[in-house]
Amino acid sequence: AQKVTQAQTEISVVEKEDVTLDCVYETRDTTYYLFWYKQPPSGELVFLIRRNSFDEQNEISGRYSWNFQKSTSSFNFTITASQVVDSAVYFCALSEAQTSYDKVIFGPGTSLSVIP
Amino acid sequence: NAGVTQTPKFRVLKTGQSMTLLCAQDMNHEYMYWYRQDPGMGLRLIHYSVGAGITDQGEVPNGYNVSRSTTEDFPLRLLSAAPSQTSVYFCATKGWGASSYEQYFGPGTRLTVT
Repeated sequence: AQKVTQAQTEISVVEKEDVTLDCVYETRDTTYYLFWYKQPPSGELVFLIRRNSFDEQNEISGRYSWNFQKSTSSFNFTITASQVVDSAVYFCALSEAQTSYDKVIFGPGTSLSVIP
Repeated sequence: NAGVTQTPKFRVLKTGQSMTLLCAQDMNHEYMYWYRQDPGMGLRLIHYSVGAGITDQGEVPNGYNVSRSTTEDFPLRLLSAAPSQTSVYFCATKGWGASSYEQYFGPGTRLTVT
């Protein structure tokens, strides 16, 4: 069973639209970490954010915001007023206490295209 | 400070050939990882190491060998390349401790096996 699900395979939006990328995770641990990574067309993987399971506060960084809800096991990522530079594949990931946080489980990714 | 470096960037192999993908880091991180990335599959863990001299298998270890003789280097060996190993390979590192749960990635190696 997939532990990190990103149901949206591909999303296209027009520049300046808002877009939300969904992430649903599955774990039996009470202590875990969630992450988002960005992979632009150039191919490198860039770390965006880490959130631990005890901190359900939403986070905002410029045009990016993250909504963590333990009740629905979701960690969604919203880009406000999207720009062409936001075009990338975005990965949600999970690290669990049961593996001593040694391993990170990645979702399949969501490919976002922002059209000018 | 180069971070995580991988060589080569691109390589074409024939079926049955062997090769070593190199990964080096100057971040003094204890943990190192090898992933492969295939379309629609996300990143799948091949092997990882929690410190020099210690390695363990990930999700898809078959056909690959690793060793970790130093903190800095974590080479990945393909013993007898197969077309199914055509992929993009990423090396990653992670520190140890409460502030080091995220991974940092190298630029990747694109491997084609014909």
